[in-house]
Amino acid sequence: KAGVTQTPRYLIKTRGQQVTLSCSPISGHRSVSWYQQTPGQGLQFLFEYFSETQRNKGNFPGRFSGRQFSNSRSEMNVSTLELGDSALYLCASSLGHGGTEAFFGQGTRLTVV
Amino acid sequence: EDQVTQSPEALRLQEGESSSLNCSYTVSGLRGLFWYRQDPGKGPEFLFTLYSAGEEKEKERLKATLTKKESFLHITAPKPEDSATYLCAVQLLGGGATNKLIFGTGTLLAVQP
Repeated sequence: KAGVTQTPRYLIKTRGQQVTLSCSPISGHRSVSWYQQTPGQGLQFLFEYFSETQRNKGNFPGRFSGRQFSNSRSEMNVSTLELGDSALYLCASSLGHGGTEAFFGQGTRLTVV
Repeated sequence: EDQVTQSPEALRLQEGESSSLNCSYTVSGLRGLFWYRQDPGKGPEFLFTLYSAGEEKEKERLKATLTKKESFLHITAPKPEDSATYLCAVQLLGGGATNKLIFGTGTLLAVQP
């Protein structure tokens, strides 16, 4: 059974640019959540999608956005990149909406220069 | 404010030397507590979910327990391959159905041969 797939694995962008990250959840899973992991802040919740609708959002600026498609695949976008956006971005896949285990992908390592 | 605290921050053990990692939480209502293992440069790997005080789960050399205020991850006779960062996370009750996790900052475990 395939796990959570995130692409790309590594990305280098310049300050001010925008970036789109992709996540394919485990087959049959309908919920996707995104997290940012940095050495200083640890894992911080960005947002959660279920059935193509954003269900929950963390305390991040509006430059961070996401969406989910009808096949449950999800993308997140960061516009006007800042140096502080450098992080490991993790996608988590869950079977249902609420109270179910989350399985993580390998992450996308974003470096902003 | 909902908070998860893990201790110690780092732990060095000799192979075969058993020990415990602690995760204490202060939350408005607990739906579930999750333990993950994370290797460098990879996404968190799901280990256990605990839902109610008194619950225990085991997997190989790991055993997780839950009380009303904290959880312990007991490692029995660890091996070098158990070296990793162990993350604790909580899922909250209330506010609608959600898979959002609030993470602690982790315990970095190093097991020396």
